[in-house]
Amino acid sequence: GAGVSQSPRYKVAKRGQDVALRCDPISGHVSLFWYQQALGQGPEFLTYFQNEAQLDKSGLPSDRFFAERPEGSVSTLKIQRTQQEDSAVYLCASTIYGTNSLSGKLFFGSGTQLSVL
Amino acid sequence: SQQGEEDPQALSIQEGENATMNCSYKTSINNLQWYRQNSGRGLVHLILIRSNEREKHSGRLRVTLDTSKKSSSLLITASRAADTASYFCATVPYAGGTSYGKLTFGQGTILTVHP
Repeated sequence: GAGVSQSPRYKVAKRGQDVALRCDPISGHVSLFWYQQALGQGPEFLTYFQNEAQLDKSGLPSDRFFAERPEGSVSTLKIQRTQQEDSAVYLCASTIYGTNSLSGKLFFGSGTQLSVL
Repeated sequence: SQQGEEDPQALSIQEGENATMNCSYKTSINNLQWYRQNSGRGLVHLILIRSNEREKHSGRLRVTLDTSKKSSSLLITASRAADTASYFCATVPYAGGTSYGKLTFGQGTILTVHP
């Protein structure tokens, strides 16, 4: 597609439910990032993939959060046993650049707004 | 954790006026970027300035960078109602020869331009 696509756009979950958020990056983009944005805050880094390799997961808040990108394109962020504090917008971004390249701009999707009741 | 602090948190101006937003950061950087976010949407890249640059222009945007003060400013000239959005600065840390472009964002400035 022309841009980064995320689905679903909105997700309401009951506390304790598992959720899966999908990201389709721009075709051919090597790097993929997940960010979490709480209301009124800037995005905070969760994890980074270069192709299928997860090179940095230092931002994942707990072991309930898991991300994968098995074929180096589509990525899924899974949250197990959701809690109210997980309510946020989850943003995916991609770039054609990989490691040891000049750092350039990221292309962001519109995000998935997760509400945990 | 947030790298930067932005100032002001909110800015309200009339169409045609200039808008200036400031960003401070804490660590050495490879580059600094500004992004715009309309309500309920993703972020859109506006401009990137590298650590060895002091000023950059793009259309109605002017960005300055002062690495000695660890600060940057974004100036939007002749603002329009359509410029109403949140604006975020984001830094890529200096990591020697290795960097994958991980961004650390500030908390943003909410700009409202009244027609």
